[in-house]
This record gives sequence, structure tokens and C-alpha cells, in this order.
Amino acid sequence: EVQLVESGGGLIQPGGSLRLSCAASGFTVSDHAMNWVRQAPGKGLEWVSGVSGSGGHTYYADSVKGRFTISRDSSKDTVYLQMNSLRAEDTAIYYCAKDAFMYPAFCDFWGQGTLVTVSS
Amino acid sequence: EIVLTQSPATLSVSPGDRATLSCRASQAVNGNLAWYQQKPGQAPRLLIYGTSTRATGIPARFSGSGSGTEYTLTISSLQSEDSAVYYCQQYNNWPPWTFGQGTKVEIK
Repeated sequence: EVQLVESGGGLIQPGGSLRLSCAASGFTVSDHAMNWVRQAPGKGLEWVSGVSGSGGHTYYADSVKGRFTISRDSSKDTVYLQMNSLRAEDTAIYYCAKDAFMYPAFCDFWGQGTLVTVSS
Repeated sequence: EIVLTQSPATLSVSPGDRATLSCRASQAVNGNLAWYQQKPGQAPRLLIYGTSTRATGIPARFSGSGSGTEYTLTISSLQSEDSAVYYCQQYNNWPPWTFGQGTKVEIK
């Protein structure tokens, strides 16, 4: 059974940093790209970042480029999203999502999400 | 960046009736389009990929069609459990992978 469990969310002041984790199980993690998609309160879905199955290629939305870093630890089957210089507009539920392919395309399984609130 | 525009914003449909949701892309996405369903308080769930292929476990009443810049999700006979927000997503030109703004389906 595929499982994705996100953690690391919380309340953080503007300018602060957080690291989100996504622990994966039930599939061969290195065979799939992994994505982070966020949803601001009451809003739609926004793709944030993706990493290829090998971990060798990373991709970012313009809104987070230079502030967020995606990585994966294959030994732990875990994907991370390091978020720096956080802004109020980064407030959202952050979903970790398994991609159907080695490179980001579409997400065939989603975690339950972790809430990040950026506020003073 | 490809912009996806979904219509209508809200669709109110009686149980058993057909629901037709539209997704228009700002440029051709060559069939590389997926649909997701999101119920309140839940994560999104993949319904359709490659324009018309149902994901595992998705009922046959959900179908997708389209080409070029125009795509449609049809729910042939709406059930009460289909009340949700539906999003389209393109994966033809990336990054970024983009989503439409969503269509909310309500049960009359």
C-alpha cells in the first residue's frame, strides 16, 4: 500500500525557515519523481517543486525559486522541502505527491498534507 | 507558462444527471492533461490522465475527452459522493506544471 506522510509544518514568522519531510513507503521511490504542491486557504492547487526519481534534476515554481530547495534521501525513502525566507503568501497546506513517472508529470498519489502558517 | 481556465466555476447538478466540466489551455497541451477530485478536508485524488485514461479504481461514470486546447471531464450520472472540486492539470510544457482554478460540483 502506497503511503506518504508529511511532517514539519507549523507556525513560523516571516523571514524564517522550515523543513518539510515526506516519508514514502509501498513503492520503489527511486522509480518515481516526487512533487510538492500547495494550497493556500480557500484557494486552488499550486505546484511548488519537483525532483526526478534519481534526484539529479530539480524543478521550482518561480514563486519559490531561490528560497526553497527540494531534495531526497533514497536511503530513508524521504523527500524534503527546505523553505527559507518565508513570506505570508507561503501560508498553505503543503502536499507531497508521488508522480507516475521518473520525471514530473502528474501525481497519482497524494499525502494528507502539512499546514504551514507564516505570520508574526 | 500555460494557463488553464476551467468553467464553470460552480456547477449544480441533480443526482443521476450528467455533469460536464471544461478546461481550456492557453496553448496546446497535446493530450497531456490530468483531472483531480478534491473533497473538503481531503487531499486531491487522481481521476484521469492522458486526457481520457481513468486512474486505478475510478468509476466508469468519469470520462475525459478533448484535444489541442479544449478538454472535458464528464460525470455521466452524478452520485452524491461526487460533490467536490475538480481540477485540471497540464504536464506538456514544464516547468511549471500548472493547474486550473477548479470547478466546484454541487448536488442539487
